[in-house]
Amino acid sequence: AQTVTQSQPEMSVQEAETVTLSCTYDTSESNYYLFWYKQPPSRQMILVIRQEAYKQQNATENRFSVNFQKAAKSFSLKISDSQLGDTAMYFCASRTFGNEKLTFGTGTRLTIIP
Amino acid sequence: KAGVTQTPRYLIKTRGQQVTLSCSPISGHRSVSWYQQTPGQGLQFLFEYFSETQRNKGNFPGRFSGRQFSNSRSEMNVSTLELGDSALYLCASSSTEQGSEAFFGQGTRLTVV
Repeated sequence: AQTVTQSQPEMSVQEAETVTLSCTYDTSESNYYLFWYKQPPSRQMILVIRQEAYKQQNATENRFSVNFQKAAKSFSLKISDSQLGDTAMYFCASRTFGNEKLTFGTGTRLTIIP
Repeated sequence: KAGVTQTPRYLIKTRGQQVTLSCSPISGHRSVSWYQQTPGQGLQFLFEYFSETQRNKGNFPGRFSGRQFSNSRSEMNVSTLELGDSALYLCASSSTEQGSEAFFGQGTRLTVV
């Protein structure tokens, strides 16, 4: 069974600053994916970034990047130059190869302060 | 390309009633998964359907069921509603190609009174 843990229920940061959200996971599988999803007040879950566990290089998507530490089972999300539109719940999630089931963490509520 | 469409967006039901929620996946996606989101339990996997067959099931009572049609549209049904079934129900579709992402609908907010 997979588990995903997010230890920061809430975070806030000034606009234009950088913020890092933490996530740890546990799995016995060797092939899996990790994701960060964003859920704004509109409720729709939007994929922010994903990482294939077999890739050593950390994924980046514009202002979003991850720090993937496979041995430590850690998968943190860094948001640079934060914007007001980044205000949302952020969920870390995992799934194994060949299985569509996503296992989510409890989420981090991020507020960007103008 | 149209996104994942869930209907209805909001629903109020009485304890003991049953409810059916609908999900239309992105065109070409054959996998549909359902999740329940509550403040207390977070996001929990209900089940996944692929080509009209349930492939995976979460740890929910038998009152929760689903099905998928030949056009990949999916429905989930909850019978004998309880107050604790009040939640946001999210549907996600994916193409199941290696590495594909899940696309989510906006959810159905179910309130049981």
